[in-house]
This record gives sequence, structure tokens and C-alpha cells, in this order.
Amino acid sequence: DTAVSQTPKYLVTQMGNDKSIKCEQNLGHDTMYWYKQDSKKFLKIMFSYNNKELIINETVPNRFSPKSPDKAHLNLHINSLELGDSAVYFCASSQNSGNTQYFGPGTRLTVL
Amino acid sequence: QKEVEQDPGPLSVPEGAIVSLNCTYSNSAFQYFMWYRQYSRKGPELLMYTYSSGNKEDGRFTAQVDKSSKYISLFIRDSQPSDSATYLCAMSASSGNTPLVFGKGTRLSVIA
Repeated sequence: DTAVSQTPKYLVTQMGNDKSIKCEQNLGHDTMYWYKQDSKKFLKIMFSYNNKELIINETVPNRFSPKSPDKAHLNLHINSLELGDSAVYFCASSQNSGNTQYFGPGTRLTVL
Repeated sequence: QKEVEQDPGPLSVPEGAIVSLNCTYSNSAFQYFMWYRQYSRKGPELLMYTYSSGNKEDGRFTAQVDKSSKYISLFIRDSQPSDSATYLCAMSASSGNTPLVFGKGTRLSVIA
């Protein structure tokens, strides 16, 4: 069983489109994260949710909107996609009391 | 100065060599230190986790933390071709609901 899963794995789209990435974890964790990994492999936090509440919102354009329908899911919706949004997006989760984070396989987004 | 500095490599070693990977950091509040391994086109997976200063050993892997120098290391003994991956250091100031601050990762190739 996959602990943290993401869909889709690959996403190719045109500039200006709106797209969503979904994340699910079956570890029973309380906290979920979205990270962005750019072309230079630098991994940077975007958002964090704890028990469906937004707790961390780094300096990210408001075109990015996370949504957590329940503790096991954290989705990322991106409006008006730009070329600079091309990256690999990783979802991760951790137990409330610890910071050992488990990562999903990533979604490779390419904006043309 | 970035919060976490890590030599991106690439680092190429022969099979059986001892590998030393390092990170320096500037934020003295960091107390939790991790090493993640990321294979090509996969998500990062936790390799080692240490709290505060000291050493931790797990099989062929040893993690060292020197808080006085703000310097952490990962040693890999008897390196194998299967160790070829990107190694990312990560750290945080507290446990729980805390985003990790990552280094840029060091790409390691172990040649058979």
C-alpha cells in the first residue's frame, strides 16, 4: 500500500490554464504539506495543514490555493498557470507530535 | 546567505568507498536534523534523523551533528551502486507541524 500518493504523476498544460493536484495519505497523520522542487532540485515548503486547518503559508502567489477536505487529503489548485510554475510538486505528511515527514512520489508539472 | 548550504556535487566514487556528505547552516535554533535520499524521479525518503548534537549509526550510515560549528555530516561506508541518488539534508527548529528547511542536495554516483 502506498503511504502518500499523488495524482496525476505528470501534468502538461498550457499557460493560463487552471489545474489541480491531489494528495492522499493512509498513515493516519495529522499534518500534510506541499513542497515545490525546482529545476535545480531545491525543495521548498509552500503550505502546511494540520487537522484540515492551514498553519503555514509561505510566500506563494495567491494563484495557488490548497484545500483539505479531510485529514487524509490535501489538494493543490493552481489558477492561471505560468511558465515559472513548472516544477515537481511533492506532498508530504507527518504525525502531529513529530517532524518525520513522508513524501509522495511527486507530480511533475510542465507549463508550455 | 542561505539558511542551509549543501555542496550540490556531483560526487562520483568507486564501489566500496567511504562517502562524506555535509551541510552547514546559519540558524542556531535548528535542533532536528535529517538526511533524505531521493532517487531519480522519486520522492525523498527519510534516511537518518538526529536530535541536537551527536552521532547516530544505522547500518552503513552514520549521521553526525556539530551544533557548535553548525555543521552536519552523513557518512556512508562500503558504498554500493544502489546508494547512487541525491542526498538532501533537512532541519527544523522544533518538532511537530514544522516545515523542514532543505539543502539543495548532493548528487552521488557510486561506480561499480
